[in-house]
Amino acid sequence: AQSVTQLDSHVSVSEGTPVLLRCNYSSSYSPSLFWYVQHPNKGLQLLLKYTSAATLVKGINGFEAEFKKSETSFHLTKPSAHMSDAAEYFCVVSDRSNDMRFGAGTRLTVKP
Amino acid sequence: DTAVSQTPKYLVTQMGNDKSIKCEQNLGHDTMYWYKQDSKKFLKIMFSYNNKELIINETVPNRFSPKSPDKAHLNLHINSLELGDSAVYFCASSEAGGSTDTQYFGPGTRLTVL
Repeated sequence: AQSVTQLDSHVSVSEGTPVLLRCNYSSSYSPSLFWYVQHPNKGLQLLLKYTSAATLVKGINGFEAEFKKSETSFHLTKPSAHMSDAAEYFCVVSDRSNDMRFGAGTRLTVKP
Repeated sequence: DTAVSQTPKYLVTQMGNDKSIKCEQNLGHDTMYWYKQDSKKFLKIMFSYNNKELIINETVPNRFSPKSPDKAHLNLHINSLELGDSAVYFCASSEAGGSTDTQYFGPGTRLTVL
């Protein structure tokens, strides 16, 4: 069965410093992996996705993630945090049609 | 233009009542979903429909009944509401439901059961 674990429930960084949100997955097949962002009282928006092409995936707003099969990881990074990045981030795995499994979410706080 | 819309945005009701949440997508997608997000932000899929046919029905009480009159709409009807049904419900759609497809989410409906 597919599943995903987000290793930190809360990450706090200062504005202008790097962001690292960690995600490990479990899948019996070749999975697709996604990162979604949810701003307060909003729906979810796709940041980026990996679908078996390039292992380093670039997304919107300067975010990127690297698929590492040997480590079963798909960590999300950004070189320099902005105040507007404060939100809830979800790592998602999908290895079969019509089924996505969400991680528990990581709340990112950005301090001025 | 809103790609995936839900109504109402907020719903406050008493225990035991029956309520519906509506969802519409104008993306021409074949697959639609309902998710429940609890107070700890955990998102769990409830149902998946592909071209009006039920594909996934997770372990959800049968008080929850999805209805898809056409592939652009997936409504959620809830009977005999309970306190534990309080949550944010998200509708989503994707092109064909494939594992690589991006899902597009609605803004959510915050349901509060008193």
